[in-house]
Amino acid sequence: QSVLTQPPSASGTPGQRVTISCSGGSSNIGINTINWYQQFPGAAPKLLIYSIDQRPSGVPDRFSGFSSGTSASLAISGLQSEDEADYYCASWDDSLNGWVFGGGTKLTVL
Amino acid sequence: EVQLLESGGGVVRPGGSLRLSCVASGFTFDDYGMSWVRQVAGKGLEWVAGLNFSGGSTRYVDSVKGRFTISRDNAKNTLYLEASSLRAEDTARYYCTKLAGATAVSQFEHWGQGTLVTVSS
Repeated sequence: QSVLTQPPSASGTPGQRVTISCSGGSSNIGINTINWYQQFPGAAPKLLIYSIDQRPSGVPDRFSGFSSGTSASLAISGLQSEDEADYYCASWDDSLNGWVFGGGTKLTVL
Repeated sequence: EVQLLESGGGVVRPGGSLRLSCVASGFTFDDYGMSWVRQVAGKGLEWVAGLNFSGGSTRYVDSVKGRFTISRDNAKNTLYLEASSLRAEDTARYYCTKLAGATAVSQFEHWGQGTLVTVSS
């Protein structure tokens, strides 16, 4: 059971906008920033969004992040087939004194 | 270009020990915190341990406290994870990560390809 809660799956068609949610609590998302990671099968994860809504260089602006209260969301607009991957949210947890992840969301492009 | 090269994984019996290493290049190693994150095959990510730029401040997930030790040798640009009293549930791919800042409380900015640890009799 992960500390952060994500839907196990999400899907969309090319060109659509898809959002992936991440629900936490007052000791993590409620007071600390959130980051998102993208992982393709057989590959290492990659930082996709940091500090709620910041994109590392090279990440397309189709990817955006939001946060409100103890929840956060990753939005992907103009969905492309190459976006098919697993997506994880992560936040520092002050009660656990460590990083916590969501269980991951498998995104399928139909 | 940041490169993180892990090694030291393998098959170990329950109760045994391993030392994982991660050689870093492409950045000033002693300016950044580092962490280990693991992933069971087909499952999600789990943060294991982290330390700050000097190694003077370390953090661990509760399930490995007292069994795992994270450390670094800044002269060798190398991060370590000493894992002892290994259990079947420690079986996973272990990723070395470079953090975005000097402390252990920074996001995982770069990831290695991981090294596989299998605990089995």
